[in-house]
Amino acid sequence: GEQVEQLPSILRVQEGSSASINCSYEDSASNYFPWYKQEPGENPKLIIDIRSNMERKQIQELIVLLDKKAKRFSLHITDTQPGDSAMYFCAASPNTNKVVFGTGTRLQVLP
Amino acid sequence: GGIITQTPKFLIGQEGQKLTLKCQQNFNHDTMYWYRQDSGKGLRLIYYSITENDLQKGDLSEGYDASREKKSSFSLTVTSAQKNEMAVFLCASSILDINERLFFGHGTKLSVL
Repeated sequence: GEQVEQLPSILRVQEGSSASINCSYEDSASNYFPWYKQEPGENPKLIIDIRSNMERKQIQELIVLLDKKAKRFSLHITDTQPGDSAMYFCAASPNTNKVVFGTGTRLQVLP
Repeated sequence: GGIITQTPKFLIGQEGQKLTLKCQQNFNHDTMYWYRQDSGKGLRLIYYSITENDLQKGDLSEGYDASREKKSSFSLTVTSAQKNEMAVFLCASSILDINERLFFGHGTKLSVL
């Protein structure tokens, strides 16, 4: 089955700088790659996603990149703010209802 | 908008006990999921169901049973709670389609004494 690796597990950045989280997957059939943000005590919420027919997608300060050949995808948060501090999960979905998550990255934006 | 309700929010059990967690959604979504969240291990899929009475095993199904009694509800049973076990169980739902976003409940936090 699909396996998703996510790095780093902890990421500390200065406010205003960029943060990058990297994920890799194994199943070449995966064609949907969502990113979820989980704030303390809250449930995970979708913040951005990309499908396999795209290489890049941007929503405001969030940028996702997908390299299908390398089976890698990444989330970049530009101009980080304290409100960006949270757990972030990448996921990959093969051509089924199954969604496989990475192990998560705890992002801390330092003032 | 819809909502996913998980009950109970906190569950304290004894070693060896059978424990049941419940999930209700009013999105009218077809697919429902149970994930287990452990620190440092992300979200691991226990069971999912694509329609009423359907059941599909995830990677972590051993030690659990599940039941999709109707479209709106999906329950998870821990068949024998393990001592000192502590985890959050998250229920989610999505539209039956190829690759759609998941909507999560707020979780049930399990502690086993």
